[in-house]
Amino acid sequence: EVQLIQSAGEVKMPGESLKISCTTSGYTFVSYWIVWVRQMPGKGLEWMGVIYPGDSDTRYSPSFQGQVTLSVDTSLNTAYLQWSSLKASDSALYYCARVDVAGVAYWGQGTLVTVSS
Amino acid sequence: EIVMTQSPATLSVSPGERATLSCRASQNINSDLAWYQQKPGQSPRLLIYAASTRATGIPARFSGSGSATEFTLTITGPQSEDLAVYYCQQYKNWPLLTFGGGTKVEIK
Repeated sequence: EVQLIQSAGEVKMPGESLKISCTTSGYTFVSYWIVWVRQMPGKGLEWMGVIYPGDSDTRYSPSFQGQVTLSVDTSLNTAYLQWSSLKASDSALYYCARVDVAGVAYWGQGTLVTVSS
Repeated sequence: EIVMTQSPATLSVSPGERATLSCRASQNINSDLAWYQQKPGQSPRLLIYAASTRATGIPARFSGSGSATEFTLTITGPQSEDLAVYYCQQYKNWPLLTFGGGTKVEIK
């Protein structure tokens, strides 16, 4: 069974750094792209970027380029999304998901990030 | 970047009616389009891929059509459990994916 399990929600202060995780199982991690998606409160889905664990090839949405960093640890079958300096506007629900040839069939449960002073 | 535009923003339908949701791409994406359903408090679920193919386990009342720049998701005889926000997504520039803004479906 394919599973993507995300790390628990976080409460941070502006300016702090953060790294959230997405641990996968049930398939060959290095063979599928992972996408990260942001959902701000009451809003729609925004794709942030994708990473290919096989060689760490990474593509960012223009809206998120330079704002976040995607990475993987193939020994742990885990993908990461990180910020070096959080802003209040980064408060959102973040999903990781596995990119298939036609669509995204497997999603994590989401990680809620709250940034507040 | 390919921009996806959905309409209407909100759609209110009765159980016996047909719900028609639209999605427009800013450029030709052939049939490289997926539809997702997101119920309150849940992760999105893949409904349709390749514009018209139902994903595994998706009821037959959900159907997709269209190609190039104009696409439609139809819910024939919507049920109360279909209350959700529906998103289209293009994957013409796979693995670069972009979503539409979503259509919220309300059941009268």
